[in-house]
Amino acid sequence: SQKIEQNSEALNIQEGKTATLTCNYTNYSPAYLQWYRQDPGRGPVFLLLIRENEKEKRKERLKVTFDTTLKQSLFHITASQPADSATYLCALPRRGNTGKLIFGQGTTLQVKP
Amino acid sequence: EAQVTQNPRYLITVTGKKLTVTCSQNMNHEYMSWYRQDPGLGLRQIYYSMNVEVTDKGDVPEGYKVSRKEKRNFPLILESPSPNQTSLYFCASSFYGELAGAGTGELFFGEGSRLTVL
Repeated sequence: SQKIEQNSEALNIQEGKTATLTCNYTNYSPAYLQWYRQDPGRGPVFLLLIRENEKEKRKERLKVTFDTTLKQSLFHITASQPADSATYLCALPRRGNTGKLIFGQGTTLQVKP
Repeated sequence: EAQVTQNPRYLITVTGKKLTVTCSQNMNHEYMSWYRQDPGLGLRQIYYSMNVEVTDKGDVPEGYKVSRKEKRNFPLILESPSPNQTSLYFCASSFYGELAGAGTGELFFGEGSRLTVL
């Protein structure tokens, strides 16, 4: 079956360092992959999309990579700040059905001042 | 302001008492979807709709109904709620063409509805 895996353990880093979060998937060949940010008790907020033919995408301090051979996406936040503390979710469309966007469980990032 | 509005935001109810969670979007999106979020299980899709009068099951549709009579509204109906439907519910919407790959496919989420069934 199709699965998305994100590290369920929280990631704790020091302010100013680069945070790297991982999204692995199996039995997928997604046309694209998305990353969302979710704050406690709030709805997820879209951050970035990367397509299967793109190796890397950047937006301000965010960088996403997509390795379709490894079936993995890496999400980087450079020069991290305490305000970056949140849960980050990756999402992919189900194979053959773009109406079904499947989410990983998310990784919680804690940036300490 | 572009937004997805859910109501109620919080609800405590009892087993078997029918309830409806409303969802409305003001962005003229064709696509709308309901998710539930539970600790350790993440976001799971309940139902989705590609357009008016077109709905389909997600991964966890049992115990839920939806309707899409108008483009802007997508209510979630729990005909006979049970305690295992206690959860945080999110409605989301998007332009379908974007979801299919023409743009970012960004899903816009509501603020969530926390439902407790006793």
